[in-house]
Amino acid sequence: DQQVKQNSPSLSVQEGRISILNCDYTNSMFDYFLWYKKYPAEGPTFLISISSIKDKNEDGRFTVFLNKSAKHLSLHIVPSQPGDSAVYFCAASAINNAGNMLTFGGGTRLMVKP
Amino acid sequence: KAGVTQTPRYLIKTRGQQVTLSCSPISGHRSVSWYQQTPGQGLQFLFEYFSETQRNKGNFPGRFSGRQFSNSRSEMNVSTLELGDSALYLCASLGQGVYNEQFFGPGTRLTVL
Repeated sequence: DQQVKQNSPSLSVQEGRISILNCDYTNSMFDYFLWYKKYPAEGPTFLISISSIKDKNEDGRFTVFLNKSAKHLSLHIVPSQPGDSAVYFCAASAINNAGNMLTFGGGTRLMVKP
Repeated sequence: KAGVTQTPRYLIKTRGQQVTLSCSPISGHRSVSWYQQTPGQGLQFLFEYFSETQRNKGNFPGRFSGRQFSNSRSEMNVSTLELGDSALYLCASLGQGVYNEQFFGPGTRLTVL
């Protein structure tokens, strides 16, 4: 049972345009969401996060939107740059006294064309 | 601050052997988590250690085990290796706050022949 899903395995966008990456989750206990960027043969790099008490968080060119009722989040990258080409993973966690584990989606490969 | 370090970066083993991977978290971080990345299953949580105690465990067989030392360094061990254990093994460390992102190391690429 996949609790976090990224339904688009790949996305191609022109440089300067907006990239929108989507993520859906099923576990209503999740209350913290993160986006990571990953290059081949490297570990994921943290990009941006959002807690369930918010519906939007911005950091420079990156904005994450959370729709709790739809159990959906999205990452917007504006403007997209060729260096943004990578695999993007969304992840979710349920913060509890027993610690912290991340459940990842399957990833979306973003290609930004010059 | 130095990031999360993992050794070795690459490893080749044969079926039936065992392997030990090492992870040093960011200085001051007490939580270390391990993840397995494979093409078919994506990134899957193995276990988390905090103050030398396993605090969370994913859905992996008992052949996968780990431990954490008093200096927060962690090791994971896989016994009786199978071909399907070939994967990128990632370690992540977590800061002290409740809502802190996990920082990942570069991973250890394990190939089982």
